[in-house]
Amino acid sequence: DVKVTQSSRYLVKRTGEKVFLECVQDMDHENMFWYRQDPGLGLRLIYFSYDVKMKEKGDIPEGYSVSREKKERFSLILESASTNQTSMYLCASSLWGGNEQYFGPGTRLTVT
Amino acid sequence: RKEVEQDPGPFNVPEGATVAFNCTYSNSASQSFFWYRQDCRKEPKLLMSVYSSGNEDGRFTAQLNRASQYISLLIRDSKLSDSATYLCVVPLNNNDMRFGAGTRLTVKP
Repeated sequence: DVKVTQSSRYLVKRTGEKVFLECVQDMDHENMFWYRQDPGLGLRLIYFSYDVKMKEKGDIPEGYSVSREKKERFSLILESASTNQTSMYLCASSLWGGNEQYFGPGTRLTVT
Repeated sequence: RKEVEQDPGPFNVPEGATVAFNCTYSNSASQSFFWYRQDCRKEPKLLMSVYSSGNEDGRFTAQLNRASQYISLLIRDSKLSDSATYLCVVPLNNNDMRFGAGTRLTVKP
């Protein structure tokens, strides 16, 4: 079974803090993704990576950065958290050229 | 047109009913399509893939209409356990997919 884990299920941070969200997958997948999910807006792609040290911007990269130093780990960084970044963050992985994405359980981030 | 558009619902149906959701997409080059299911407070999981005109898996049927650029999901004989949000997914390329906002289904006794 593919397993995608995320470092926290719930996180509360203050405005201006630097926030790290970690994602680890154990199936040797090339592709990894970060989404945020908001009511009525669905999943929106923030960044994705198809290889170590590679990254591509998704639809809403502003205010976020990512790091992929190892194949199994993909980190999302909020350089200076703002209240409009309060959301559910979902990480996913897939094989290169594969279609099915496997999701982690999500991190609900609240920025106060 | 949005890349992927779904009727948000909610759809409230009795057990045993047949219900259908539609999803329209804008990228005419997309070849394969997907339906994911997301339970409340859970992550999305793949329900069905649609590669040609359609796909059937038990009570679930997914159909594709390329001319009109929409896919549909039909659920027959609804069960209480079918209550979830159903996400339509359209690939932009092999590695990048676009998710619809989802259609919420509640099946009632």
